[in-house]
Amino acid sequence: AQSVAQPEDQVNVAEGNPLTVKCTYSVSGNPYLFWYVQYPNRGLQFLLKYITGDNLVKGSYGFEAEFNKSQTSFHLKKPSALVSDSALYFCAVRETMDSNYQLIWGAGTKLIIKP
Amino acid sequence: NAGVTQTPKFRVLKTGQSMTLLCAQDMNHEYMYWYRQDPGMGLRLIHYSVGEGTTAKGEVPDGYNVSRLKKQNFLLGLESAAPSQTSVYFCASSYSGYQGYTFGSGTRLTVV
Repeated sequence: AQSVAQPEDQVNVAEGNPLTVKCTYSVSGNPYLFWYVQYPNRGLQFLLKYITGDNLVKGSYGFEAEFNKSQTSFHLKKPSALVSDSALYFCAVRETMDSNYQLIWGAGTKLIIKP
Repeated sequence: NAGVTQTPKFRVLKTGQSMTLLCAQDMNHEYMYWYRQDPGMGLRLIHYSVGEGTTAKGEVPDGYNVSRLKKQNFLLGLESAAPSQTSVYFCASSYSGYQGYTFGSGTRLTVV
């Protein structure tokens, strides 16, 4: 069965420091991987995706993510955190041959950037 | 502005009442989805549609019905609301099965 794990409920980072939000996945075939961000009382916004190609994917707001097939991970990273990055982050996966087109979602990680 | 619009934004229902949540998108997307978001549980798919006139069950379909009579609209119905359906409901749309989703701003539903 497909699944996504975000092992940290909350990540605290000082402004200006690098940040990492972890995501691991389990699918039977090749994955499509996504990161979304949710600000308070807002809908989710697409950040970036991995479909194929380069393992390092760049997205919105200076975020990037690295696909690691051997470790089945897709960690979200940013070199220098901003207070405005504080939000809830979701990782999602879909198995490429899944005809149901459903994304499987992680439970979310709350990112808190302290000034 | 192009995007996904959900109405209403807030609603309080009494147990047993019915209501319909409307999702409208103006991006000509084929795929549309209804999710519910509960604390600590991430997003759970209720129903989805891969095109006009089609619907399918997701992870948690019980107690909900949907219709997609027009490509741009995806309706979520609660026939007899229960307190367990208190949640925030999000609609999303996508151009294809492997594109990112565009989400609406959500409907906060409370069933008392």
